[in-house]
Formats: sequence, C-alpha cells, structure tokens
Amino acid sequence: GAGVSQSPSNKVTEKGKDVELRCDPISGHTALYWYRQSLGQGLEFLIYFQGNSAPDKSGLPSDRFSAERTGGSVSTLTIQRTQQEDSAVYLCASSEASGGGFVYFGPGTRLLVL
Amino acid sequence: DAKTTQPPSMDCAEGRAANLPCNHSTISGNEYVYWYRQIHSQGPQYIIHGLKNNETNEMASLIITEDRKSSTLILPHATLRDTAVYYCIVRVPYQAGTALIFGKGTTLSVSS
Repeated sequence: GAGVSQSPSNKVTEKGKDVELRCDPISGHTALYWYRQSLGQGLEFLIYFQGNSAPDKSGLPSDRFSAERTGGSVSTLTIQRTQQEDSAVYLCASSEASGGGFVYFGPGTRLLVL
Repeated sequence: DAKTTQPPSMDCAEGRAANLPCNHSTISGNEYVYWYRQIHSQGPQYIIHGLKNNETNEMASLIITEDRKSSTLILPHATLRDTAVYYCIVRVPYQAGTALIFGKGTTLSVSS
C-alpha cells in the first residue's frame, strides 16, 4: 500500500482480556516503530524493529506488552491481561532504515479497555 | 530526554504567519533538526528538516540560528487546518539503534 496501515482502527475490550494490534509498514521499509499516546498526552516510544529483531525494547511499559515482526514486514503488538490504563492510541511507524529521519506514521489503533 | 524545549501553546490568527520556536542548546554537530506535526486524531506528519542552512518547502520554512542552538518553524499563511501539535526533534539521520523521541511539542491554535 501507499502508507502504513494498522488494524483494527478501533478496539474495545474488557479488562483482563488479551489484544493484538497489527501494523503493515510501507513496503521496503526495514525499520518499524511502535508508539503509544494516551488521551491528552504526548507520544510514548514503545519498541522499534530493525528487520525482524528488536534492538530497543526499553519503552515497553510492562511484561504484559510484547511485539514481534515476521518476514521483515508485518508487526503485531500484543497486550496481555489488559488494564484500563492501557487505553490509548497505539501508533505504528516505519522508515527506510534504522534511524532514518523520514518516519511515516499509520493512523493508529484506538484501544479502549473497559 | 527529547533534547528540545518548546512553548506548550501558541495562538495565531488565520492568514498570519505562525512562528514556532524550539531550543536545542545541546545539539551536536551531526544532528539535524526535524519538525513533525500531529493533527487531532491522526498520526504525526513530517514537515521539514535541516542541518544548518535555512530550508523551505511547500509546507513551511525552517530558520536555524548560526550557533544551531535554536530554530524557528514558520508557517507563512496559517489556516485553520494548521491547528495541531508541532514537535521539534533533533537526531542523527540513519543512526542505527535510535527512534524518534517526541517531547510535548507546541499546540498551535489557529483561529479566524
């Protein structure tokens, strides 16, 4: 596709359930990033991938959060045993190479944990 | 640590120039200044970047001081659609192992 796509666009879940968020980066982009934005807050870096490996997982807020990337393309962010404070917009971005300044963002997945 | 300082908010009248300042006093010689903006409910969008020379594109102009410790993003004729949060970021392009780290940005409100 022409840009970064994310699915679902909106997700409502109950506290304690697991959720999976998907990101399709721009074709050919080797670097992929996940960010989180809570209501009224700034962008919080979660994790980035170079190819299929994740050199920097420092932003993951707890061990309930995990992410993987297969085939150097699609990435999935998984949140286990969701809590209400996990409610946020989860944004995915990609760039041509690790550290590239031209980073392209997807529209985000809006997660609401009831 | 976002390495930049921006005012939390600014107002601008429609049709006037919006000048958004950014301080980056600890910028190193190989770091570029990037500007992104985030319109409500959308992902951030790249605007412009520069190293030390002033830059202009179809969206904006970037003025970087000679000592590179600060810069100003200029939207020459602001419209209501320019209402957004503007982020100033410094980084070395294509440096392995880094991601864009966003600060709190400046919320620009354009009114008619």
